[in-house]
Amino acid sequence: QVHLVESGGGLVKPGGSLRLSCAASGFTFSDYYMSWLRQGPGTGLEWVSYISASSATIYYADSVKGRFTISRDNANNSLHLQLTSLRAEDTAVYFCARVRRYSSGYFDYWGQGTQVTVSS
Amino acid sequence: EVVLTQSPATLSLSPGERATLSCRASQNVRGYLAWYQQKPGQSPRLLIYDASNRATGIPARFSGSGSGTDFTLTISSLEPEDFAVYYCQQRNNWPPWTFGQGTKVEMK
Repeated sequence: QVHLVESGGGLVKPGGSLRLSCAASGFTFSDYYMSWLRQGPGTGLEWVSYISASSATIYYADSVKGRFTISRDNANNSLHLQLTSLRAEDTAVYFCARVRRYSSGYFDYWGQGTQVTVSS
Repeated sequence: EVVLTQSPATLSLSPGERATLSCRASQNVRGYLAWYQQKPGQSPRLLIYDASNRATGIPARFSGSGSGTDFTLTISSLEPEDFAVYYCQQRNNWPPWTFGQGTKVEMK
């Protein structure tokens, strides 16, 4: 079965950096587009970034553009998100999610999430 | 950016009752809308995609309808495990992919 496990979250000071990872199993990772999404404390869902299967196409939300970098390693079935210049408003649970095949943007499997807290 | 507005914010119902949730888009998203369920402490689960198609393993009591700017998620008879927050999401105009603010279905 599809399994996505995020790691790398933690407490970081404003302006700091973190690298999130997502380990994928149970499907052919290299066939699927992937995304990162986040959910702030007590708030709804926000899409953050999207990467195609070959990494040729990448998108970012305006709120993170220039500060976050998405990447993937198909050989090791892993997805990453480098977070830099972190702000208090980046505090959230970060989820990796698989993009449903041929859908261009429905998220059919999600990891359990990793907490990122930005605070001095 | 497409803004999705869900109503009501909270729905108080009893098991066995019918739940009707609404999602309105700020512009035409054709039929490219999904619904997700999220329980406390869990990640979202895809229920419905392309407005009316149930995702794998989703019970038949969940149904979706609508097109253009107005969409509905219906739960025909609430089971105890259905009390949760429900989000709609569009994939017609992207990026960004956008979500509604959620409707909480709570037990009366």
